[in-house]
Amino acid sequence: EVQVLESGGGLVQPGGSLRLSCAASGFTFSSYAMTWVRQAPGKGLEWVSGISGSGGSTYYADSVKGRFTISRDNSKNTLYLQMNSLRAEDTAVYYCAKDNVVVVATQYYYYYMDVWGKGTTVTVSS
Amino acid sequence: IQLTQSPSSLSASVGDRVTITCRASQGISSSLAWYQQKPGKAPKLLIYAASSLQSGVPSRFSGSGSGTDFTLTISSLQPEDFATYYCQQLNSYPRTFGQGTKVEIK
Repeated sequence: EVQVLESGGGLVQPGGSLRLSCAASGFTFSSYAMTWVRQAPGKGLEWVSGISGSGGSTYYADSVKGRFTISRDNSKNTLYLQMNSLRAEDTAVYYCAKDNVVVVATQYYYYYMDVWGKGTTVTVSS
Repeated sequence: IQLTQSPSSLSASVGDRVTITCRASQGISSSLAWYQQKPGKAPKLLIYAASSLQSGVPSRFSGSGSGTDFTLTISSLQPEDFATYYCQQLNSYPRTFGQGTKVEIK
């Protein structure tokens, strides 16, 4: 079964750090880009960060750029999100998702996120 | 790229046909996905590439559109369809979501 499972959430003080992990199974992890998405309490989904299958390309939302770092260890089938300088507005459920792609007419690439974890909760509060 | 969903919420009855729209601030070809989320649960992929139905998703769900205007249609609303629906553009980074549409029971 293809699945991803997040861990590492918890309560942290403003200005603190936390590292989230996402363990993947059931698919060839290194062949797929991965994504972190978060959802603040009572709010909508917010795309946070993405990383290519090799780890060579990374992308960030402006709201976390310079504070969060996405990485992966393909030998351990694990995705990470290092979160530094945490703020109250970073409080959210953080989801890990597997990216996928469909190629149309050999030239059009359409991406989507087809497997999601159950999420891990991060609370930033003093 | 900003995505604007409408309506933000709607009330409907079982058996109704429901349509949700998603408008992008600039053209995104067909790089759009739709997700369903129920309270306390992770999002679930329904539609990708604007109109392709994800495996295992009931055929009452359909998507259409390209460029800037997209639609998610539920042909006959079922009790298990009451949820919040999000569109997402994957044409460029950051891969933004719409603000969501909550479908409630009338």
